[in-house]
Amino acid sequence: QSALTQPASVSGSPGQSITISCTGTSSDVGAYKYVSWYQQHPGKAPKLMIYEVSDRPSGVSDRFSGSKSDNTASLTISGLQTEDEADYYCSSYTRSSTFVFGSGTKVTVL
Amino acid sequence: EVQLVESGGGLVQPGGSLRLSCVASGFIFNNDWMSWVRQAPGKGLEWVANIKQDGNEKDYVDSVKGRFTISRDNAKNSLHVQMNSLRAEDTAVYYCVRILYGAFESWGQGTLVTVSS
Repeated sequence: QSALTQPASVSGSPGQSITISCTGTSSDVGAYKYVSWYQQHPGKAPKLMIYEVSDRPSGVSDRFSGSKSDNTASLTISGLQTEDEADYYCSSYTRSSTFVFGSGTKVTVL
Repeated sequence: EVQLVESGGGLVQPGGSLRLSCVASGFIFNNDWMSWVRQAPGKGLEWVANIKQDGNEKDYVDSVKGRFTISRDNAKNSLHVQMNSLRAEDTAVYYCVRILYGAFESWGQGTLVTVSS
């Protein structure tokens, strides 16, 4: 049950696009479509941004998109805005019928 | 509107016990898997446990197996976790979470558990 691997930090200027990677194994990310992404602002509960690899919940901006290739999932934020500055976590269901989160990525808007 | 309200957190000594509760509203509680997720101070998210709609299937992260027990009362729209033999490393904010489409769809505000002498 090791955490999925994410970069510790990613930064970009307003209007730019950034991509956060989430690397797992064939027992989690590579095994199912149940990869999801969460945004967390300081002192707040996490918010679901992407589910089933690339689907957006109602109300989430279409500037957020997700994809997956083999054992690595990615979250792309297009048209970066100041309010996107937050921590982002990926998560995956696993072959052991458990869930695992990523290590987390701090997004900074320059 | 989905609402999840946790309670029961607090300060407990190492080796002690605590029971967290969560009351759900705004959705059909017995239709969905539920989960507890925790976050240690300044750290990342950690999935703790899941429970199936009827309560007959439960899964746990290895670090809490044998110490934590997740349960639910569908008649009262409530989720619980009984935490025994608590350790300093269990100190965290504990979130009650609804699972939908294999994702943690709705989150409570969290309740802080501090294990310290």
